Amino acid sequence: GAVVSQHPSRVICKSGTSVKIECRSLDFQATTMFWYRQFPKKSLMLMATSNEGSKATYEQGVEKDKFLINHASLTLSTLTVTSAHPEDSSFYICSASGAGVREDTDTQYFGPGTRLTVL
Amino acid sequence: RKEVEQDPGPFNVPEGATVAFNCTYSNSASQSFFWYRQDCRKEPKLLMSVYSSGNEDGRFTAQLNRASQYISLLIRDSKLSDSATYLCVVIDFYNQGGKLIFGQGTELSVKP
Repeated sequence: GAVVSQHPSRVICKSGTSVKIECRSLDFQATTMFWYRQFPKKSLMLMATSNEGSKATYEQGVEKDKFLINHASLTLSTLTVTSAHPEDSSFYICSASGAGVREDTDTQYFGPGTRLTVL
Repeated sequence: RKEVEQDPGPFNVPEGATVAFNCTYSNSASQSFFWYRQDCRKEPKLLMSVYSSGNEDGRFTAQLNRASQYISLLIRDSKLSDSATYLCVVIDFYNQGGKLIFGQGTELSVKP
């Protein structure tokens, strides 16, 4: 149990285009989803926290108009990178926590990540 | 100062060696502590939780010293499959909403 999927796993796009990444909890209800970004050889940095049905809370320095987060259901959150530029190239990972899993509701389960390359 | 700091690494050790990783955290109000493992180009996976009393899972032993704000991970009898980056993670539920604060990771390479 407690499986989180992400799609796509890898995306290459041109500068200026928008890219949508999906994060799904497959066998539990994710009341909270987190979006992280990881640059090569660096740690994961939290970008935003989203609770189902409400607006995401963004970390300091993360532009909410550039990284649009939607958490419309208990099993799906999306991150849209708008007008992507080469500096947005990174590994984007989501995690989810919620009800219906063996561990406590605070445990975060990570998706496999999406590698974004902006040309 | 970073919230969570780890040994810079990389650690290159032979199979069978014992290796120890250190981690310090700056937020004394932190309540939960974990070690995660991350393989190259993969997501982090929970390795073990860390308690003040210490905990052991097979070849892995984790320790927490709240007074010194220090966490450690000991790996005995290293295997080739232990090669990965080990991430120290700290959570402060009351003041930081339960978000995971990651260290920068320590890379381990176990050689035959």
